[in-house]
Amino acid sequence: SAVISQKPSRDICQRGTSLTIQCQVDSQVTMMFWYRQQPGQSLTLIATANQGSEATYESGFVIDKFPISRPNLTFSTLTVSNMSPEDSSIYLCSVKTGQYGYTFGSGTRLTVV
Amino acid sequence: RKEVEQDPGPFNVPEGATVAFNCTYSNSASQSFFWYRQDCRKEPKLLMSVYSSGNEDGRFTAQLNRASQYISLLIRDSKLSDSATYLCVVNPGTGFQKLVFGTGTRLLVSP
Repeated sequence: SAVISQKPSRDICQRGTSLTIQCQVDSQVTMMFWYRQQPGQSLTLIATANQGSEATYESGFVIDKFPISRPNLTFSTLTVSNMSPEDSSIYLCSVKTGQYGYTFGSGTRLTVV
Repeated sequence: RKEVEQDPGPFNVPEGATVAFNCTYSNSASQSFFWYRQDCRKEPKLLMSVYSSGNEDGRFTAQLNRASQYISLLIRDSKLSDSATYLCVVNPGTGFQKLVFGTGTRLLVSP
């Protein structure tokens, strides 16, 4: 299965600032997915990132708040913009591996103060 | 109604016990189903896919009932290392291969 390197692993940020999270995959993948896991809750899909086109956002998530880049088939970034304490979460990227499996990055634990 | 529903637990069981988790999903067109395991402060990892015929992997057995829109996971001979949160995950088949996660069921196996 694919190996994903996600960074940073954690950060503490001031409200109003932005943080960019990076995911690097060791193989080429068509789609990358960005999830959020709020404290004590399960994962919620933010958007699907395809190389060469704009990301597709789920209901409740907008590009201005969570801009995504996908410059090639092995890399993607998610930016959390103009942060507030409500953005404190774990953010994870994911790729589909094989017919059924999905692999996740190790996550970015974000605390906004 | 949530797309994927699970009992959050926690389930507290002694080593060696058999424990079962259940999950229901709302979208009858859902295409594929999984159980993921998430350890504290770690990313989810695929435990097993769930097939209509049921499937077994060692001490773990997964079942799917499409008519009832119900998925189960059975763990036999529980080990301390089985302590984790078990996530029921569904691909609703709405394109882009997205996944919808249940809130997870927490399992605590004690000596």
